[in-house]
Amino acid sequence: GAVVSQHPSWVICKSGTSVKIECRSLDFQATTMFWYRQFPKQSLMLMATSNEGSKATYEQGVEKDKFLINHASLTLSTLTVTSAHPEDSSFYICSVQLALYEQYFGPGTRLTVT
Amino acid sequence: AQSVTQLDSHVSVSEGTPVLLRCNYSSSYSPSLFWYVQHPNKGLQLLLKYTSAATLVKGINGFEAEFKKSETSFHLTKPSAHMSDAAEYFCVVSDAGGYNKLIFGAGTRLAVHP
Repeated sequence: GAVVSQHPSWVICKSGTSVKIECRSLDFQATTMFWYRQFPKQSLMLMATSNEGSKATYEQGVEKDKFLINHASLTLSTLTVTSAHPEDSSFYICSVQLALYEQYFGPGTRLTVT
Repeated sequence: AQSVTQLDSHVSVSEGTPVLLRCNYSSSYSPSLFWYVQHPNKGLQLLLKYTSAATLVKGINGFEAEFKKSETSFHLTKPSAHMSDAAEYFCVVSDAGGYNKLIFGAGTRLAVHP
């Protein structure tokens, strides 16, 4: 498999500020990474597909100007939540694709917006 | 469109007794199916996957699942539950769109009591 890390594991920010979440593939060069959002006691919802060296592909209903994704290298993808509001509070999870439909997940980042 | 339905939001078993987590899928083509487990504060871990080979799939930690096309089911079983099996379990289907996307079920929380 692949080892995936996320930083930070938990972040608290004030409403109106921006916060960046990092997703690193520690032992695999990932052309494709995915970003998910998980509300408490709910399932994972795919937000966007992050492709190294190109623009991310966002799912319907996800604001690309609010959730900025940068996949600048084969081991790092970042998700920036801009002008965060309390409704953006959630658990954000990234994954790395090793093969067709085979994904390995990071431990997640809990975002709390006050 | 592809979807998965996990028939039980909560399952409670005694340690040492069998585990059955039910999943039905909907797909217009031959899907790939997965079971993932999510322990608190840990990343999702792949338990097993079905990709059109043997219909009985064996995974890690003694789990297995059987793909039944006629019933559109992919139920997860384990002969004997262990306390460490307590977690959230997700049934997942591959998306037909060809972009390697995964579609998650709502999840089943498994409780194991002594």
